[in-house]
Amino acid sequence: DAKTTQPTSMDCAEGRAANLPCNHSTISGNEYVYWYRQIHSQGPQYIIHGLKNNETNEMASLIITEDRKSSTLILPHATLRDTAVYYCIVKNQAGTALIFGKGTTLSVSS
Amino acid sequence: DVKVTQSSRYLVKRTGEKVFLECVQDMDHENMFWYRQDPGLGLRLIYFSYDVKMKEKGDIPEGYSVSREKKERFSLILESASTNQTSMYLCASSFRGQARTGELFFGEGSRLTVL
Repeated sequence: DAKTTQPTSMDCAEGRAANLPCNHSTISGNEYVYWYRQIHSQGPQYIIHGLKNNETNEMASLIITEDRKSSTLILPHATLRDTAVYYCIVKNQAGTALIFGKGTTLSVSS
Repeated sequence: DVKVTQSSRYLVKRTGEKVFLECVQDMDHENMFWYRQDPGLGLRLIYFSYDVKMKEKGDIPEGYSVSREKKERFSLILESASTNQTSMYLCASSFRGQARTGELFFGEGSRLTVL
């Protein structure tokens, strides 16, 4: 599975959009991009995943570049409860287990 | 809602004790996983299972074993607990189908302290 690179930390003002980048330059054609987040003292929570097209659900939007070498998770109106560590993971369907990196610590402040 | 339940939220054990961590999921998921999480090291995969009685080693299987006798239950066993196994243990499950195998549902975690 391809490796990912994320910034260690980011800040965002409450009510503003939080844009979390992820680089995955060695991604191959059959690998999906997954995003999770982990709020302090809880287990990680699945947010969204995509292959080629942009995706949106009730939690977030995922924008994948045309060459698929990077992606951005967008939280359109960040709240204090969005403060968490966000993980970007690339995985193919042949492998079964997700490997988590260090992620990005997002701090949302009022 | 999917529910992944871990048997104990907090445990304190002594060095050398045998420790069982139990995990049950109620969504008929084929895949189940055990991770541990430590400050500065992130989540690391210990073992996973994609079917009953099947198991695969993850990145750090040493000192651990697992058991999957029923589809809904995946147990992590520390045969002889050591202080370096003090950690937060997280269980997760997912479907095996295409595009869904990476959609993991996690339990709340079991914080184990070995004295």
